[in-house]
Amino acid sequence: DTAVSQTPKYLVTQMGNDKSIKCEQNLGHDTMYWYKQDSKKFLKIMFSYNNKELIINETVPNRFSPKSPDKAHLNLHINSLELGDSAVYFCASNDGGAYNEQFFGPGTRLTVL
Amino acid sequence: GNSVTQMEGPVTLSEEAFLTINCTYTATGYPSLFWYVQYPGEGLQLLLKATKADDKGSNKGFEATYRKETTSFHLEKGSVQVSDSAVYFCALSDRTAASKLTFGKGITLSVRP
Repeated sequence: DTAVSQTPKYLVTQMGNDKSIKCEQNLGHDTMYWYKQDSKKFLKIMFSYNNKELIINETVPNRFSPKSPDKAHLNLHINSLELGDSAVYFCASNDGGAYNEQFFGPGTRLTVL
Repeated sequence: GNSVTQMEGPVTLSEEAFLTINCTYTATGYPSLFWYVQYPGEGLQLLLKATKADDKGSNKGFEATYRKETTSFHLEKGSVQVSDSAVYFCALSDRTAASKLTFGKGITLSVRP
């Protein structure tokens, strides 16, 4: 059973388009995240939701809009895609335990042409 | 704010060599510390973790000890294998309600047969 899943795995699109990435976790966790990994492999937090409520928004352009229809899902919609949005996007969820361990999805590689 | 500093890479070793990857951190409070590994073309996997001073995390022959006095969490392995070739990330979680992960820049390890 996949714990944190993302779709699609690869996304190739033209500049100016709008696209969405979906994330689902079946771990029963309350908190979910989106991270961005750039071409140099650097990972940075974008958003976090706790039980459908936004709790972190790290100076991400407002072209990026997360949506959490329920605590098991956190989707990322991106408007007017730019070349600089090309990256790997990781979804994660947090078990809320003593370590606050995060479990990551397989990533979505977005390429904007 | 929180930050994680990893030694500069990449690192190339021969099989069975000893590995040390340095990691130091700056954080308010008492963070949890993690090492994540990313194999080529894959997502992030938790390698090991520690939550308090002098805790030693270990997994797959890798070890790291939470050193509060030196704010460090160095990763070590006594004898690396070709299959250990990957990117290694040191990270901390700040134990706030959001508990976001702050990552180091990552270091690429290549192990030669």
